[in-house]
Amino acid sequence: EPEVTQTPSHQVTQMGQEVILRCVPISNHLYFYWYRQILGQKVEFLVSFYNNEISEKSEIFDDQFSVERPDGSNFTLKIRSTKLEDSAMYFCASSVLAGNNEQFFGPGTRLTVL
Amino acid sequence: AQSVTQLDSQVPVFEEAPVELRCNYSSSVSVYLFWYVQYPNQGLQLLLKYLSGSTLVKGINGFEAEFNKSQTSFHLRKPSVHISDTAEYFCAVSDLGNAGNMLTFGGGTRLMVKP
Repeated sequence: EPEVTQTPSHQVTQMGQEVILRCVPISNHLYFYWYRQILGQKVEFLVSFYNNEISEKSEIFDDQFSVERPDGSNFTLKIRSTKLEDSAMYFCASSVLAGNNEQFFGPGTRLTVL
Repeated sequence: AQSVTQLDSQVPVFEEAPVELRCNYSSSVSVYLFWYVQYPNQGLQLLLKYLSGSTLVKGINGFEAEFNKSQTSFHLRKPSVHISDTAEYFCAVSDLGNAGNMLTFGGGTRLMVKP
C-alpha cells in the first residue's frame, strides 16, 4: 500500500541553524501539506501546496519557513533559522485532490532545537 | 475560522466495553468532519469521514461516528473495544469553502484500554 514517507525520523539542531525536513508524498497525489505538533499540544496546520505554489498558509508559517518541490517526488520544509519554539513533530501529508479528499499522513519528523 | 474541541483528554476503559469519544466543532460555514487515529510512533491514519448524506458514518476497525448539526458534534463510538485500540484519537474539520484544504484538529483524546 502506498504511503507517505519522511526523513529523518529525528533531527537535532542548534538554535539559529537551518534545517530541511523531507517528505515523499504518494506518487499520484497533487496536494501536499505540512503540519506540526508541539509536545502536548494540538496538531496545527502550517501550509498547503498545489501546482508548485502555496495554496494556503497559517500564521505560524512566517518568513522563516519555506516549502519546495525540488523534483517529481520530494516535498521539503525548510526552517531558515531555528528557534527553541520550533521544537515539535512535523507531519507531512498528501491528498489526491482538495475538498473532501482524505489526507494521508507520514510518520513525522521529530525536530529538537537546542 | 473553525475550531474543534475534544472534551476528554484521556478516556480509560476496560476491554470489550463500549466507548464514546466526544468532539464538538464551531464553524460559520458547512464543514467536512474527520476522525484520525495515531498509534505510538506512527503518523495519523484516517478512521472515518463525514462529507454529506447519512449522518451515521462507519469507519475502519469497527468505529462509527454520528454527525449532529444542531449540536455541532461528531462523536466517535465503538460498541466493544480491544487492547489494540489504545491510541490517540483526533477529530478534525475542513470547511467547504477552504481552497487550501486545511484541517483544523482538536486536542486529541488518549484512549487507554485496560484488560
